[in-house]
Amino acid sequence: AQSVAQPEDQVNVAEGNPLTVKCTYSVSGNPYLFWYVQYPNRGLQFLLKYITGDNLVKGSYGFEAEFNKSQTSFHLKKPSALVSDSALYFCAVGADSWGKLQFGAGTQVVVTP
Amino acid sequence: DSGVTQTPKHLITATGQRVTLRCSPRSGDLSVYWYQQSLDQGLQFLIQYYNGEERAKGNILERFSAQQFPDLHSELNLSSLELGDSALYFCASSVVPRDTQETQYFGPGTRLLVL
Repeated sequence: AQSVAQPEDQVNVAEGNPLTVKCTYSVSGNPYLFWYVQYPNRGLQFLLKYITGDNLVKGSYGFEAEFNKSQTSFHLKKPSALVSDSALYFCAVGADSWGKLQFGAGTQVVVTP
Repeated sequence: DSGVTQTPKHLITATGQRVTLRCSPRSGDLSVYWYQQSLDQGLQFLIQYYNGEERAKGNILERFSAQQFPDLHSELNLSSLELGDSALYFCASSVVPRDTQETQYFGPGTRLLVL
């Protein structure tokens, strides 16, 4: 079985400050980890994924995520947040066959000017 | 724009009714996934099809069914609707099915309201 946890319902950050959205996972076997973002009344947009290789993954819109196997974490980061980054962020893990993804509950990011 | 299309965007219906949601995957994608997003359950995987065949099932109710047609579009049928079925239903697609590293691209969703 696989699971993913996003411990924060909401993250508040001032524009220009670093942004971190936390995610921890539990899988048997090698994890495949994803971050998606959802803007109001929109579908989920893919940001980045970790499959193998470098622990630091770079994605869209200046986001990056760090895979930490020992801590079973995959935190999303952005060095300097923008007001337009305000959205709902989902972490997801895939490990079963046939592509099923398990999503976290989501973290609402609020970036204030 | 992900390239995945879903119709209709909004649907309002009454309890006990049946509705059909439609999804067209990205060009070239053979696998289609259906998800349900609600406030209390979050984003839940319902079912997956690959090239017309069912490949994985998640938390899909017996009142719900889906299929994928030869042109690869998919339909999700929801019957005997209840108030609790009100949610946002997403379709996603990917190129190959048996590879969880393949990125799933999501459509804009269908918002269902059951009154």
